[in-house]
Amino acid sequence: SQQGEEDPQALSIQEGENATMNCSYKTSINNLQWYRQNSGRGLVHLILIRSNEREKHSGRLRVTLDTSKKSSSLLITASRAADTASYFCATDAYSSGSARQLTFGSGTQLTVLP
Amino acid sequence: NAGVTQTPKFQVLKTGQSMTLQCAQDMNHEYMSWYRQDPGMGLRLIHYSVGAGITDQGEVPNGYNVSRSTTEDFPLRLLSAAPSQTSVYFCASSYSYPNTEAFFGQGTRLTVV
Repeated sequence: SQQGEEDPQALSIQEGENATMNCSYKTSINNLQWYRQNSGRGLVHLILIRSNEREKHSGRLRVTLDTSKKSSSLLITASRAADTASYFCATDAYSSGSARQLTFGSGTQLTVLP
Repeated sequence: NAGVTQTPKFQVLKTGQSMTLQCAQDMNHEYMSWYRQDPGMGLRLIHYSVGAGITDQGEVPNGYNVSRSTTEDFPLRLLSAAPSQTSVYFCASSYSYPNTEAFFGQGTRLTVV
């Protein structure tokens, strides 16, 4: 079962606009990570936010975490055509059993139109 | 620095055949894992390893075997391929799973006919 679920499933915007993607999860987490996947390629790590952090920035990326609502958002400002990709959230949490695992959502497909 | 290298990139198997997907990393990471990615399903964890000689099952382990004889290598074996194993397979490694970033290989696209 998937821990994180991204919303929307697909997002199409014009170059220069901001893109916001959301992730909701079900159980308590240790941290939450965002990854990007270009078509036909592997995943690339973007940012990690720990459960005791509320906001984190990296370049044009801004991630927020609300543990009370079990949700996170990824904001990409001033988007570029090169930002076109799938974006995944991944939660570090205990799975059924005793092991901590990194569990991925199904992703948001972002298309930035030139 | 090669990072995480997966071979092959593409493979077609017949039902019932066996094969091994190779994964190697050169970052001296203790933690390695295998995921499969299916349309609309995100990535699902198959098996993972916290160090040489130690492996454990993930969410979808059935039909797959792993071993970890060295820090660098973490092969995934399909015992008797089934069409349901048609997927894209990703290997990942990290310094301290799961609380640090994971580095992914480029993937192996497997088709079972």
